[in-house]
Parts: sequence; C-alpha cells; structure tokens
Amino acid sequence: ELKVEQNPLFLSMQEGKNYTIYCNYSTTSDRLYWYRQDPGKSLESLFVLLSNGAVKQEGRLMASLDTKARLSTLHITAAVHDLSATYFCAVRSNFGNEKLTFGTGTRLTIIP
Amino acid sequence: DTGVSQDPRHKITKRGQNVTFRCDPISEHNRLYWYRQTLGQGPEFLTYFQNEAQLEKSRLLSDRFSAERPKGSFSTLEIQRTEQGDSAMYLCASSIANEVSGNTIYFGEGSWLTVV
Repeated sequence: ELKVEQNPLFLSMQEGKNYTIYCNYSTTSDRLYWYRQDPGKSLESLFVLLSNGAVKQEGRLMASLDTKARLSTLHITAAVHDLSATYFCAVRSNFGNEKLTFGTGTRLTIIP
Repeated sequence: DTGVSQDPRHKITKRGQNVTFRCDPISEHNRLYWYRQTLGQGPEFLTYFQNEAQLEKSRLLSDRFSAERPKGSFSTLEIQRTEQGDSAMYLCASSIANEVSGNTIYFGEGSWLTVV
C-alpha cells in the first residue's frame, strides 16, 4: 500500500526566509501533485510533476521530483504572509489506477 | 464560473437520515473523483469515474455509500443511514485525460457534512 509522508507537519517561519517541505512516498509512482489549501477552503493545484528530475517554479514556490529517491520537495523562497496555508503532496502509483494518496499536509505559517 | 461545482455546500443532518451531494465537473472533463477530508487530515480517495463508468472504488466506501454518474456529466454521492463518523468535507474533482498536460486534477469547493 502506498504511503505518503510529509515533513514537517507544522512550519512557522519569518517573512523573507527560505524553507523546504519534503514529501516521501513508499512505492514507485509516475505522477506527483502539490496542492495548497486555505482554512475551510478547497484545494488549489500548484504543480504536477511527471518525471525524474522535473522542476517547476511559480512565483516564490519551486517543486522538484526525484523518483529514484521517491522524494519531492517544495521550496519556498523569501516567504511572504500570503503563502500561509496547508500544503499537500499527493502521489499516483503507477499501477494503472487513478487514485491519489495524499500526505498529511504541512501547515505553514508566515510570521511578519 | 467554469470550475468544479458542488451542491449543497453545507449540510446538517440527523443520524440515520440519507443525504445526497451533487457535483458538476468542468465541462468536457471525462474523469470525475470523490474524496473525503476530515479536519487536520489529507483527502482520502473514495471513487473515480471515467465518463459514466465507475472504475475504482475505495474500501472506505461502505455499503451505505453510492455514487453515480449517469450520463458522464454530473455525479451524485449518496450516503444512506448517516452516522456521526460520516461528518467530513466531501470533495469532488475532475480532470481530462491528457498525458501531455499531466492530468491536472481540479477540486471543487467541497460539501461539508455534519451528522448530529
């Protein structure tokens, strides 16, 4: 059974600092997603990573994928308050199904 | 608004009652998913449709749960004889099979269920 672990679970950081959220998964996968969720809201798609070495960037967020290590990272550069949210990674196993398995989420709080 | 639409957004029901949620996916999206999310947790997969065919179903989906997508467009999720443990946000999502785009999955705003 596919397991997805994120760390840290909680992250409090000052504006202007850099940090990285890690997502480890237990079996081979062909697709990894990053989502953002604000309190009481739905999930906003951030990135879809398809292949080993894939790197995508949008604003202050950059995601990368290492399929050999079964690891994805979400890097935050020069954090601003608007980035405060919960971030989830989700993995689709490459066994022909469409089920996504989500991590437990990282609750990020940016302190002025 | 061309996003995934869910209705109702909030539902409070008494234990033992039946509830039904509706999801309208993004137009032309042939894939539709239902997930459930409880407070402080990530979403959990419930079921998946490609067009009108229900292709995957989680073991979480007990006999009290049923989902349909009769014409390959909107979908309904029905919960019979609700229990307090069913209280959660039910999320619908849709996507279009497109290996080039990577099959981005778009989520709706969710339907909050509270069973009292």
